[in-house]
Amino acid sequence: GAGVSQSPSNKVTEKGKDVELRCDPISGHTALYWYRQSLGQGLEFLIYFQGNSAPDKSGLPSDRFSAERTGGSVSTLTIQRTQQEDSAVYLCASSPRLAVDEQFFGPGTRLTVL
Amino acid sequence: DAKTTQPNSMESNEEEPVHLPCNHSTISGTDYIHWYRQLPSQGPEYVIHGLTSNVNNRMASLAIAEDRKSSTLILHRATLRDAAVYYCILRDDGSSNTGKLIFGQGTTLQVKP
Repeated sequence: GAGVSQSPSNKVTEKGKDVELRCDPISGHTALYWYRQSLGQGLEFLIYFQGNSAPDKSGLPSDRFSAERTGGSVSTLTIQRTQQEDSAVYLCASSPRLAVDEQFFGPGTRLTVL
Repeated sequence: DAKTTQPNSMESNEEEPVHLPCNHSTISGTDYIHWYRQLPSQGPEYVIHGLTSNVNNRMASLAIAEDRKSSTLILHRATLRDAAVYYCILRDDGSSNTGKLIFGQGTTLQVKP
């Protein structure tokens, strides 16, 4: 079956602009995670959604970052007023249910802020 | 979250076994040991996980020390495709946990033909 998909695969933007990154999880997966991978920083957790529960936003680095998940499926990560330090690969992952299951990662969106 | 310690890099020859170590001396009773790997230019990929007993699947084996303070990921016959960064991650799979993964720096595995 289809895996996790993300779009766009690459995004180049100018400092100060807003960007939206999209994630389509595997059908039926109730848990969805966003991570980012920066050069020299490794992979870091950003936000988590599980069904209709309130998301765990503990990893969002600033209030310029927000995410939503519509209808329990597609998720959008929005970065407002982008900064150069936001340049990274943004990865989305989904899993069938809470905690105990493996996470399936998408290919990521490479964001470059000029 | 409890921390893990892994060597920065390891080398292996193709078709030989590879043992990737991980130390997690502060592991708690509800922490599962998860391994993921990340091939170049790809997202991470699940490899295996376990709690106390050794585990085997089609990709690898996981050997867990009796005191659970260390574990070893075993690739039985390395191939060139196994060259990747391998992450050992502790995750509290208790009912209150969100399941987020806390990645360390991992071990970069090079496989020589």
